[in-house]
Amino acid sequence: ETGVTQTPRHLVMGMTNKKSLKCEQHLGHNAMYWYKQSAKKPLELMFVYNFKEQTENNSVPSRFSPECPNSSHLFLHLHTLQPEDSALYLCASSQVVSGGNTDTQYFGPGTRLTVL
Amino acid sequence: GNSVTQMEGPVTLSEEAFLTINCTYTATGYPSLFWYVQYPGEGLQLLLKATKADDKGSNKGFEATYRKETTSFHLEKGSVQVSDSAVYFCALSEYFGNEKLTFGTGTRLTIIP
Repeated sequence: ETGVTQTPRHLVMGMTNKKSLKCEQHLGHNAMYWYKQSAKKPLELMFVYNFKEQTENNSVPSRFSPECPNSSHLFLHLHTLQPEDSALYLCASSQVVSGGNTDTQYFGPGTRLTVL
Repeated sequence: GNSVTQMEGPVTLSEEAFLTINCTYTATGYPSLFWYVQYPGEGLQLLLKATKADDKGSNKGFEATYRKETTSFHLEKGSVQVSDSAVYFCALSEYFGNEKLTFGTGTRLTIIP
């Protein structure tokens, strides 16, 4: 599936670094999502953007800062992370349909983040 | 709140064996149910879905039936292949303006020749 791309695929950073994850979708969708996938835990929804507006922040610490400049691009800015933030970060997109509901989510390959 | 429980892995089967991965859910309303698959080094791909009770989702030889009475959505395949080795996630969604997916923890499946 190449409809949703993520860069970089792997990232190692120190706790004092600032870095950004990028997601781009080529499917014409208008909703985008960030998820965190940690070992032996269910995927955790972090943020939802609907028509570039943030509609969900699932109690995510402020050291994670999302940005959605348009419906095709989504960023996750990272600063002063902790080792427990090491995980696979997945981006997804979907189409908003009638009544504000959304259709199936399509996922990118993820960014494997390691915080030292 | 909503939750999804799937059988713990890892599951190891021989090629051509019958596969069942159990999934049960708890939801306040009438959710849609999904199975996603994650192949090594890749993101999640939608495998199949069902949106109402008694619906059967199917794809690539996999099937799952939405059972409201048992709140289950078990994944089955009659004859697995080595290429089916992956992690399988059961998920549900309810509509609160956005599709908030609730996932299970995933089941790692390994098929040996």
